[in-house]
Amino acid sequence: DIQMTQSPSSLSASVGDRVTITCQASQDISNYLNWYQQKPGKAPKLLIYDASNLETGVPSRFSGSGSGTDFTFTISSLQPEDIATYYCQQYDNLPRITFGQGTRLEIK
Amino acid sequence: EVQLVESGGGLVQPGGSLRLSCAASGFTFSSYEMNWVRQAPGKGLEWVSYISSSGSTIYYADSVKGRFTISRDNAKNSLYLQMNSLRAEDTAVYYCARGAASMDVWGQGTTVTVSS
Repeated sequence: DIQMTQSPSSLSASVGDRVTITCQASQDISNYLNWYQQKPGKAPKLLIYDASNLETGVPSRFSGSGSGTDFTFTISSLQPEDIATYYCQQYDNLPRITFGQGTRLEIK
Repeated sequence: EVQLVESGGGLVQPGGSLRLSCAASGFTFSSYEMNWVRQAPGKGLEWVSYISSSGSTIYYADSVKGRFTISRDNAKNSLYLQMNSLRAEDTAVYYCARGAASMDVWGQGTTVTVSS
């Protein structure tokens, strides 16, 4: 199975800060990577697909980049409503998708 | 409105069975691949099972293979997960999700608790 390693596992930032989360795959997955947001008690929500494409309706402060084994998810200016846990997910080995362990984002 | 609604969760003893359902509405269910994904309390997301749009192709995570069965009824716009020989480690919120590579629609989840 392809392993996905996210870092950090948690982070605290202030409103307006630029926030970056990284995800590393255990093997080359090209751009077969998505990012999800999960708020407490809610289902995950797709934010970024194919590593860098913004899902319809998602604010432009969210972005993604990377290919191969190293990927980055960025919030350009943190808003209070962005408090959530964020997960990367690979789909190079369809349909056996795997998720990163998650990054919990808190407001400082 | 595009929607997925899970049901069927509950408390079950180890070794018991449950059948989860996922009702789809607002889109052409028969055109979409579907997945079950679960989340143990305080833990991350774990893929459980996949079914193709026609139901002809099915995959399972190793952790549930031989115990869980995924199926669908396109005439009823419904997805199912039959769970047998349940273990404590199957305790989780179970989500159905639309899509194979990118899951763009998720249900609200149904909670399964395996405990004596």
